Formats: sequence, structure tokens, C-alpha cells
Amino acid sequence: KQEVTQIPAALSVPEGENLVLNCSFTDSAIYNLQWFRQDPGKGLTSLLLIQSSQREQTSGRLNASLDKSSGRSTLYIAASQPGDSATYLCAALLGAGSYQLTFGKGTKLSVIP
Amino acid sequence: SQTIHQWPATLVQPVGSPLSLECTVEGTSNPNLYWYRQAAGRGLQLLFYSVGIGQISSEVPQNLSASRPQDRQFILSSKKLLLSDSGFYLCAWGQGASYNEQFFGPGTRLTVL
Repeated sequence: KQEVTQIPAALSVPEGENLVLNCSFTDSAIYNLQWFRQDPGKGLTSLLLIQSSQREQTSGRLNASLDKSSGRSTLYIAASQPGDSATYLCAALLGAGSYQLTFGKGTKLSVIP
Repeated sequence: SQTIHQWPATLVQPVGSPLSLECTVEGTSNPNLYWYRQAAGRGLQLLFYSVGIGQISSEVPQNLSASRPQDRQFILSSKKLLLSDSGFYLCAWGQGASYNEQFFGPGTRLTVL
């Protein structure tokens, strides 16, 4: 059974710092990995999707990488801002025919002004 | 552009009462539709998904059911709510193959008393 783990559960950084959020998965046969942002009481906002054939994806100050062999993905946030404060979730899709994303429990990020 | 709606935004229901949550998507046709539940301290769990009108797949046995009466409408129901049904219910959509990106709605906060 695929398990997705995000460590740490919470992270606090000063504004302007570059940071890395970690996501690990137990089954390297994933088909894609998606990073989301969730603000308190809100739905999920898709940030980046990495297909299994890709190594990384970039959007603005965000860069996500995928290393299937080690079972890891990272989300790099450059020059963090208070508006980046939210919970960040990663989710893995196992198999091309699967419709079930397996989610981690998230990392709650606080960027201190 | 595509938009996903969910209602109601919040709901408080007594144990044993029925439930109907609705999700609609605009700006796309024949989407894949998903119902997730996010319970306190737990990751998101896929409840149901649908690849077309009248086609429902369930991922976990539970007290809930889903229906898709129209192409862009997805309904989550229960005949008798349990305390354990409390949580944050999220609808999502994706286009085409299962490995494409999923986009989430604003969610419904359900409290069963």
C-alpha cells in the first residue's frame, strides 16, 4: 500500500528565506506527484504536477523535484513571503489506470514578517 | 476558464439525518469527478470517483453514496448520518486520463451532532 509522508508537520521561517518541503513515498512505481496548497478552511490549490518521466517542474518562485528511485519529492520555495503561509500537501498517483491520489498529511508553513 | 462549485459551504446536521452535498463544474465537458473527505488529524481520503454520467466507483466502504445525474454534477449523499461522517468534504475534477492534474473546489464543512 502506498504511503506518503511529509516531514516536518510544521515549519516556521523568517520572511525572505529559501526553504524546502519534503515528501516521501513508499512505492517508487508512482505515475505522478502533485503539490497543493491549502489555506485554513479552504479547498486545495494545485501548485505543480510532476509526471513520472519528469525530474522537476517550476512555477514562479516554486520548484518541485521528483526522485522516484529514492522515493522523494521536494518543493523549493524561494524568497518566502508571509502570503506563502499555508499547509502544503503532496499527493502521489500510483499507476496509469489509478484514479486514487494518496495524500500526505501536509506541512504547515508559517512565514514570519 | 473552469470553475468548480460546492454547496453548502457549511452544514450542521443531527445524527440519523439525511445528507446531500452538491458539486458542479463549469467550463469543461466530460470531466472526471472526485469526492474526498478530510478528517481532523488525517490526510485526504478519496471516497468516490466518476468518469462519466451514472458511473460511480467507491474507494472505501462507508455510510455514504454518490451519484452523477449530469455530466458536470456530482452529488454525495447519506440516508442516515453518523458522528464519524463529520469532516471537510472536497470535490475535485480532472480532464482526460487519470494521471492529469486534479483541481479542487472550496469544500463543505460538515458537523454531525
